[in-house]
Amino acid sequence: SQELEQSPQSLIVQEGKNLTINCTSSKTLYGLYWYKQKYGEGLIFLMMLQKGGEEKSHEKITAKLDEKKQQSSLHITASQPSHAGIYLCGAPRGTYKYIFGTGTRLKVLA
Amino acid sequence: EPEVTQTPSHQVTQMGQEVILRCVPISNHLYFYWYRQILGQKVEFLVSFYNNEISEKSEIFDDQFSVERPDGSNFTLKIRSTKLEDSAMYFCASSPLAGEWSNQPQHFGDGTRLSIL
Repeated sequence: SQELEQSPQSLIVQEGKNLTINCTSSKTLYGLYWYKQKYGEGLIFLMMLQKGGEEKSHEKITAKLDEKKQQSSLHITASQPSHAGIYLCGAPRGTYKYIFGTGTRLKVLA
Repeated sequence: EPEVTQTPSHQVTQMGQEVILRCVPISNHLYFYWYRQILGQKVEFLVSFYNNEISEKSEIFDDQFSVERPDGSNFTLKIRSTKLEDSAMYFCASSPLAGEWSNQPQHFGDGTRLSIL
């Protein structure tokens, strides 16, 4: 079974629409990281959440961590074509290793 | 902003050959990592490296793989006798700190796309 499950797996939205991506962990979350990956490229760090109830924003992207539900959500307001890509949640497992979610592919139609 | 750099961006190699993937981590970072992503699949942890030794490795990281920090700036992943299933994107990452309570994320390079023929 997947330790970090993301939903939806893919998303197509019209430019200007809001959207939410979820990441659910099967184990206790000690922190949650969101990355964006453009197709065939590297992972760009978006934000890090460490405490239950924590919410962070960067430009039009907001992420929240619900420790009790072992879940994080990433919300994009007024989506733009530049938001397109693959969104990955990652979590530390032990001292050194990250595990990653299955990814959510976002396409924004102009 | 400092970044992790990886070379080459794309490597094509015949099956059975050895490859070396190179990474220059961010200069004040102490922890270094390699991950791989087979096309269409998840990013998977391979190995972490700290204080000139492997600190953790996954079951994927078998005897075929080795890592080295040959000097103060480079961090390399060597794959001996490559197989078709080694074809993947390989990402290097670095962080100043590590641990579940660390408030420092891992920073990733753009990856090396390895194609085994």
